[in-house]
Amino acid sequence: KAGVTQTPRYLIKTRGQQVTLSCSPISGHRSVSWYQQTPGQGLQFLFEYFSETQRNKGNFPGRFSGRQFSNSRSEMNVSTLELGDSALYLCASSLGLAQGGGGELFFGEGSRLTVL
Amino acid sequence: DAKTTQPPSMDCAEGRAANLPCNHSTISGNEYVYWYRQIHSQGPQYIIHGLKNNETNEMASLIITEDRKSSTLILPHATLRDTAVYYCIVRNTGRRALTFGSGTRLQVQP
Repeated sequence: KAGVTQTPRYLIKTRGQQVTLSCSPISGHRSVSWYQQTPGQGLQFLFEYFSETQRNKGNFPGRFSGRQFSNSRSEMNVSTLELGDSALYLCASSLGLAQGGGGELFFGEGSRLTVL
Repeated sequence: DAKTTQPPSMDCAEGRAANLPCNHSTISGNEYVYWYRQIHSQGPQYIIHGLKNNETNEMASLIITEDRKSSTLILPHATLRDTAVYYCIVRNTGRRALTFGSGTRLQVQP
C-alpha cells in the first residue's frame, strides 16, 4: 500500500512569508504527527492530530499551526517565516493505537523548506 | 517520556553483527522502547519495539535487560545500507508522539 506522502518536497520562501505543507497518511491511519528536523536541534515534535483534533503539541510558537481533515489528511502552516524555520519537516502517520506503546509511526520523506 | 543515552557514533564491519546500546535508566513500567533509524535525508524508519521481553523481527533483535534500564539493538549481519543514525526512544503508552534524542551514527565499513 502507498506510504506517507508529503508535498511539496522542496520549497524556498523569504522571510515574512507563510507556507503550507501537506501530508497524506497511509490509508486507514487516523493519527498524523509533524516533526521539524534541523542540524542544530535534531528531530523535534511539533504536534499530533487524531480524528481531526489536536491531541499533543510540542514547544513551538503559535506561528506553527496545523489541522487535519475528515479523510485524515493533514496540513501544517508556518506564518511569518524566519530564517530559523529552514528545516526538514516530517510527517508521520499511525493507526493511533491507545495501547501497546502507540504502535509504529510511518514517516514520509519530508518537505525541505529553505527560508531566505 | 524517559530520557535515553546513546553513544554518538559506532563503526561495524560489513557482515558482522552491529550491537547498538541504549541506556534508559529512568524508564517507567508503562513505557516501551522503540528503535528507529534515519538514512541520510530520508524520513525515519521504524525498526522494532518492546516492553520487557526480547523481540525479533526481519530487521533486527531487541534485547531489554531484566531491570529494563538498558537495551541493545542487534543488526545480525550489517550491510552498507544499514549505515544510518539509529534512535532509541522510550515512549509512554497512549502517547503517540516520539521524543528523539541525538541517536547513534552507525557507519558500516566494507
